Amino acid sequence: ETGVTQTPRHLVMGMTNKKSLKCEQHLGHNAMYWYKQSAKKPLELMFVYNFKEQTENNSVPSRFSPECPNSSHLFLHLHTLQPEDSALYLCASSQDNEGGFTGELFFGEGSRLTVL
Amino acid sequence: GQNIDQPTEMTATEGAIVQINCTYQTSGFNGLFWYQQHAGEAPTFLSYNVLDGLEEKGRFSSFLSRSKGYSYLLLKELQMKDSASYLCAVRDSNYQLIWGAGTKLIIKP
Repeated sequence: ETGVTQTPRHLVMGMTNKKSLKCEQHLGHNAMYWYKQSAKKPLELMFVYNFKEQTENNSVPSRFSPECPNSSHLFLHLHTLQPEDSALYLCASSQDNEGGFTGELFFGEGSRLTVL
Repeated sequence: GQNIDQPTEMTATEGAIVQINCTYQTSGFNGLFWYQQHAGEAPTFLSYNVLDGLEEKGRFSSFLSRSKGYSYLLLKELQMKDSASYLCAVRDSNYQLIWGAGTKLIIKP
């Protein structure tokens, strides 16, 4: 496989469920991201892992929990979500240098989440 | 606050030319990006501008004026497959990407 792959592509869950989204990148990049994409709104950056360190994002509710076991894999653990969390969740990767991220993001096709 | 503005939706005719504008107010500037996103697919990188002027890449060109906080994406010889959303994003002084809400481009025969 090439690029950035996300599973599952579609997920329907109740507010009391626990589920996880998975992302894998095959590009040898050293940074990975979770974005939330809602209709007619700008992409919202949720979490960033650079060189395996997570960048804090205090605006993301604690019901979203990221995990990055290595530079190729990224998870988003979901717990007691709300209907307003229904959105497309995009994973992306990039190759960063120490001065900041280099530019081009490579995105996965996203996981469409519906919370009932 | 930081803000990126672009039109919500545009319509153009196959074979014609369309210009999608993007204006920005950000804390610093370290480059502007355009991405294309077809419905149900991943956003893909189109262009990057960090200096003023026009960058041409085939049928697509992107222009930047840093003094005006303004960019546009120019699509020539439109094809039906160009129907997509076009996302403008600016990298600020902290190297964070600030995104616009995207412009949905509809191409009609």
